[in-house]
Amino acid sequence: SQQGEEDPQALSIQEGENATMNCSYKTSINNLQWYRQNSGRGLVHLILIRSNEREKHSGRLRVTLDTSKKSSSLLITASRAADTASYFCATLEGEYGNKLVFGAGTILRVKS
Amino acid sequence: GEEVAQTPKHLVRGEGQKAKLYCAPIKGHSYVFWYQQVLKNEFKFLISFQNENVFDETGMPKERFSAKCLPNSPCSLEIQATKLEDSAVYFCASSFASAYNSPLHFGNGTRLTVT
Repeated sequence: SQQGEEDPQALSIQEGENATMNCSYKTSINNLQWYRQNSGRGLVHLILIRSNEREKHSGRLRVTLDTSKKSSSLLITASRAADTASYFCATLEGEYGNKLVFGAGTILRVKS
Repeated sequence: GEEVAQTPKHLVRGEGQKAKLYCAPIKGHSYVFWYQQVLKNEFKFLISFQNENVFDETGMPKERFSAKCLPNSPCSLEIQATKLEDSAVYFCASSFASAYNSPLHFGNGTRLTVT
């Protein structure tokens, strides 16, 4: 099953602009994670936000979580060409949180 | 090692042949996960291990797919009698603790092409 749904599917911006990606999910969560995938590579973990947290920062990344709306957003500020990648949110499923389920991702293109 | 190592990088098999993929998790990581990515789209969960024990196999097409993580050996994912629809990139990931507390570290994948 697909837990997280990203929005938009694709985003194209100019270098220096901010990029916002959204993720909605269906069931209650313990944590929500964001990952990045560069072309031809595996996923790289960006941020993990727990259900009792509302906002988290890491460098130019800011993640928010709204458990009442079952949604999260990833903001990349002052984007760079190197930020061009696909971004995925992921939530835990399974009785023991045995598996991380990824959404379909947002393709971000940053033009220089 | 400090990276999840997947081999081979590319694998081509004729329909009906067997395919075997390998994954060496990061040293000290107890959890291993396998995912299938078709056409750069969503990652489909296949199976997870805690050490050599299957943790969750709800994503595995059990008729043809099998996986193992044995002590002192790379983990493996085997597909018997491959089909065209098995063409995908297969990613392995490992984590120090369960995904409740620990991020997953991914390898760069094995691209399987079934002809």
